[in-house]
Amino acid sequence: NSKVIQTPRYLVKGQGQKAKMRCIPEKGHPVVFWYQQNKNNEFKFLINFQNQEVLQQIDMTEKRFSAECPSNSPCSLEIQSSEAGDSALYLCASSRLGYAEQFFGPGTRLTVL
Amino acid sequence: GQQVQQSPASLVLQEGENAELQCNFSSTATRLQWFYQHPGGRLVSLFYNPSGTKHTGRLTSTTVTNERRSSLHISSSQTTDSGTYFCAIDQGQGGSAKLIFGEGTKLTVSS
Repeated sequence: NSKVIQTPRYLVKGQGQKAKMRCIPEKGHPVVFWYQQNKNNEFKFLINFQNQEVLQQIDMTEKRFSAECPSNSPCSLEIQSSEAGDSALYLCASSRLGYAEQFFGPGTRLTVL
Repeated sequence: GQQVQQSPASLVLQEGENAELQCNFSSTATRLQWFYQHPGGRLVSLFYNPSGTKHTGRLTSTTVTNERRSSLHISSSQTTDSGTYFCAIDQGQGGSAKLIFGEGTKLTVSS
């Protein structure tokens, strides 16, 4: 069973507000991924890290989204100015290596009113 | 880019029946995972199976890499198996380590 922790489980924001969610990867997993799952069950990769370094991120992440994985602190994903289209389930995953099995947390369900 | 197709989109079974879920992908992948998503959202990794056959309990996963397909077999289904099952792959050697997901198979098992 996955030991990835995500908080909060639910997040409700108004349009234009900041939304921040956190992830604690499994111990010994230096690689962290963030995905967005919309109501149509479509998954979108957002960003991934190895230790504190960004490996890859999509354009969307570069504009309104920011993420970090500081040493000895939870990883975080923040949306600077929430939009209705950001309403989704945000999933964090970790793995031992970049191409190893990924283990997911319970997700943060964001609703932007 | 890599594409993943799952079939069927939905499946309704009576308890005790078997289920066969299919996953086809467009190009060679170095990693393939099957996931079960709880109604609350948590994704549980069922199999990490880039090739060959793996078993756990009532579940069997078979991946035939050179034919770009994988299957998940659930034997003697139970109501607690109800949920959505996803297949996910990566882009293969030299590509990104991110997972690309299929659209899922929604399984409903009734008693």
